[in-house]
Amino acid sequence: DAMVIQNPRYQVTQFGKPVTLSCSQTLNHNVMYWYQQKSSQAPKLLFHYYDKDFNNEADTPDNFQSRRPNTSFCFLDIRSPGLGDAAMYLCATSRLAGGMRYNEQFFGPGTRLTVL
Amino acid sequence: AQSVTQPDIHITVSEGASLELRCNYSYGATPYLFWYVQSPGQGLQLLLKYFSGDTLVQGIKGFEAEFKRSQSSFNLRKPSVHWSDAAEYFCAGYGGATNKLIFGTGTLLAVQP
Repeated sequence: DAMVIQNPRYQVTQFGKPVTLSCSQTLNHNVMYWYQQKSSQAPKLLFHYYDKDFNNEADTPDNFQSRRPNTSFCFLDIRSPGLGDAAMYLCATSRLAGGMRYNEQFFGPGTRLTVL
Repeated sequence: AQSVTQPDIHITVSEGASLELRCNYSYGATPYLFWYVQSPGQGLQLLLKYFSGDTLVQGIKGFEAEFKRSQSSFNLRKPSVHWSDAAEYFCAGYGGATNKLIFGTGTLLAVQP
């Protein structure tokens, strides 16, 4: 089945220790998103890639970076995690073609990040 | 600014009872609207979507939603709730100048036996 895969499902890191979260997709979608979701809150968009074009949200801290080496993979790097970065991180994909501005997003299962 | 509002933070229903979760949007033009469900510790699963056309849309797991432009609403319904429906439900939409998916704050559904 085509899907969005996130690894690991659970990640524990220490305060200030860099961490990388991984997302891969078999949907061949051209747009990939990273969201942060804290407990009992809606997902908050951090950034997205439209093909190779990186789009950062204005309020995303510089501590968060992303890489998309190819269509299938996208990584979220947190350079110096703080206690406030503990959250669920969700990857999503979408297919935008032919001038489309909107389409449904498919979400992965998420990575739960704990910062000690 | 575009927004999606879910007025109910928490709802409890009895198993077998009907369900309606409310969602209101504020977009000038016809929005693209979605309902997602999230079980604890999981990602979001798409239940249904409205882009245009028939205002009553059918989704997975027996859910349906009705788009009502006059009320700026897109309420989610299910005629008979199962215990496995207990989860958080998010209404979301696109519309207007931004191409960002705007989420409501979510409604947490509890199902009583």
